[in-house]
Amino acid sequence: NAGVTQTPKFRILKIGQSMTLQCAQDMNHNYMYWYRQDPGMGLKLIYYSVGAGITDKGEVPNGYNVSRSTTEDFPLRLELAAPSQTSVYFCASSSTGGHRNQPQHFGDGTRLSIL
Amino acid sequence: GESVGLHLPTLSVQEGDNSIINCAYSNSASDYFIWYKQESGKGPQFIIDIRSNMDKRQGQRVTVLLNKTVKHLSLQIAATQPGDSAVYFCAEGESGGSNYKLTFGKGTLLTVNP
Repeated sequence: NAGVTQTPKFRILKIGQSMTLQCAQDMNHNYMYWYRQDPGMGLKLIYYSVGAGITDKGEVPNGYNVSRSTTEDFPLRLELAAPSQTSVYFCASSSTGGHRNQPQHFGDGTRLSIL
Repeated sequence: GESVGLHLPTLSVQEGDNSIINCAYSNSASDYFIWYKQESGKGPQFIIDIRSNMDKRQGQRVTVLLNKTVKHLSLQIAATQPGDSAVYFCAEGESGGSNYKLTFGKGTLLTVNP
């Protein structure tokens, strides 16, 4: 199993450009998440999804959009890139735990610079 | 403990020593806790978790201790090895309405000296 796969690994964008960060998992997990990690800071939740067709905002959703058309894929879209979006982006997934949390499993991240 | 600003707390140990990394969590309703290890250029890697009905859980060379009274979590690594050098951070979750979301700490940088 590949687990959680993120592409690309690195990207440089100009201000105002758009791009999609890809995330795919092969563990049949219902829950998927997008986080950003800034230097010396904890992970901040951008968006999450509890299943195909269902998405919701996290702590820092402004400037981003997501979709979840399949269980496997959860792309993150930046429409008008801004320097404040320079960060490392992590995708994660977890199994359905009912009323019990389950550990989230992470990809290796996309390092994004906006210049 | 947790950091403020851009500088992570650091812990430097000698190879073979035991390491203890601490975490203070904020939500008294949290009932699920995880420790992650993050190596440079990699995503967070799950180490061990514990639920609030326990105060201790052991894995391979790692032990997590939970003190709900003072909202404190610790990770003990036995016989620390150079490969253990990484940033370690805790996460807390709350079962119930939003039981699938975690809140992450900022992390502690562990350096193992050979």
